[in-house]
Amino acid sequence: DTGVSQDPRHKITKRGQNVTFRCDPISEHNRLYWYRQTLGQGPEFLTYFQNEAQLEKSRLLSDRFSAERPKGSFSTLEIQRTEQGDSAMYLCASSLPTYSSYEQYFGPGTRLTVT
Amino acid sequence: SQELEQSPQSLIVQEGKNLTINCTSSKTLYGLYWYKQKYGEGLIFLMMLQKGGEEKSHEKITAKLDEKKQQSSLHITASQPSHAGIYLCGAEGLTDSWGKLQFGAGTQVVVTP
Repeated sequence: DTGVSQDPRHKITKRGQNVTFRCDPISEHNRLYWYRQTLGQGPEFLTYFQNEAQLEKSRLLSDRFSAERPKGSFSTLEIQRTEQGDSAMYLCASSLPTYSSYEQYFGPGTRLTVT
Repeated sequence: SQELEQSPQSLIVQEGKNLTINCTSSKTLYGLYWYKQKYGEGLIFLMMLQKGGEEKSHEKITAKLDEKKQQSSLHITASQPSHAGIYLCGAEGLTDSWGKLQFGAGTQVVVTP
């Protein structure tokens, strides 16, 4: 199966530590998205890339968050100086936009717990 | 805050019964997506609707977008245990940017024997 993959699936870290997550999109997809989901809520948009260019960042993405997609393939999301409020599921999605559709395909997510 | 309102928040349905989930926006929905999520997992794409009055079906799941493109419904016929999960509607174009999706809070579906 060549769907979207994310690594790690689970991460437990202590407050103040830095963490990095990786996302590998579907190979021919040029768009890559990061979302965050907390319990009982739908995913909230964080940022997205078209190829290697970061086109939009949400106001939710504080200065402690940085995302990269250096060669237009995989992407990393880094959180510096983690806080307990960062505990959430971080979801990655990819798409290949056409004139009629922007269907996004999601990975399994990385669940972050900050203690 | 969620610009898409989903109802109900949760529902319990007996196996074999039908169920309907609604997704409502105060703004025009230019692309409306339905996803299913198992607890603690990623989202599985179900269907996408674009045109007013459009209706799509896959197996026992039917999704509709009303003529005004402000409300969508997801209907499951003769529910099975495999239909249990969280159903999310997502839409693009609710803000001044495109491509990203904004989601409702989800509807949790429990199917009992």
